[in-house]
Amino acid sequence: AQKITQTQPGMFVQEKEAVTLDCTYDTSDQSYGLFWYKQPSSGEMIFLIYQGSYDEQNATEGRYSLNFQKARKSANLVISASQLGDSAMYFCAMREGDTGGFKTIFGAGTRLFVKA
Amino acid sequence: DTAVSQTPKYLVTQMGNDKSIKCEQNLGHDTMYWYKQDSKKFLKIMFSYNNKELIINETVPNRFSPKSPDKAHLNLHINSLELGDSAVYFCASSQELGGLTDTQYFGPGTRLTVL
Repeated sequence: AQKITQTQPGMFVQEKEAVTLDCTYDTSDQSYGLFWYKQPSSGEMIFLIYQGSYDEQNATEGRYSLNFQKARKSANLVISASQLGDSAMYFCAMREGDTGGFKTIFGAGTRLFVKA
Repeated sequence: DTAVSQTPKYLVTQMGNDKSIKCEQNLGHDTMYWYKQDSKKFLKIMFSYNNKELIINETVPNRFSPKSPDKAHLNLHINSLELGDSAVYFCASSQELGGLTDTQYFGPGTRLTVL
């Protein structure tokens, strides 16, 4: 079973509008971390935002916010005021484990296209 | 001021050859990783090292051998390259292995093409 599911292979958004990229996860752990990374066409992986499973408030970093709904096991990324430079692949990831070892698992990604 | 660097950026080689990819981080992190990203963009962990010690080996063929001479370097050597090894290989590092908040910082990737 997939641990991280990103159901939107591709998304379009108009410049200056907000967009939500979906991510659901599957874990039986109580403690875990959720991440979003951006991969532009140049190929590098850029860390965007982190949410801990015990964090009560949704994480925000500039124009990025994470809509964390623990009961639904979802961690959607919201990008406000989209810019052309936001066009990229976006990966949701989950870090889980224990003292025996931690592992980060990535979703399949969502490609975002921002239209002028 | 590159945090995580990889060389080479591109690698084109023939099937059956042996090749190495080098990775260095100047962040002072204890843990380093190798990931493989296939043509469908799926990113999968291969190895992780903590302070030069192998922690995770995700059932990668033993043709792949990571080597960590010190905690700032993690190189990947691949023997007898096969067509299916063509992918982008990412090196990453994080502050410590034992943490859920541990953000990984990625290198620019090495695009390996096996002909």
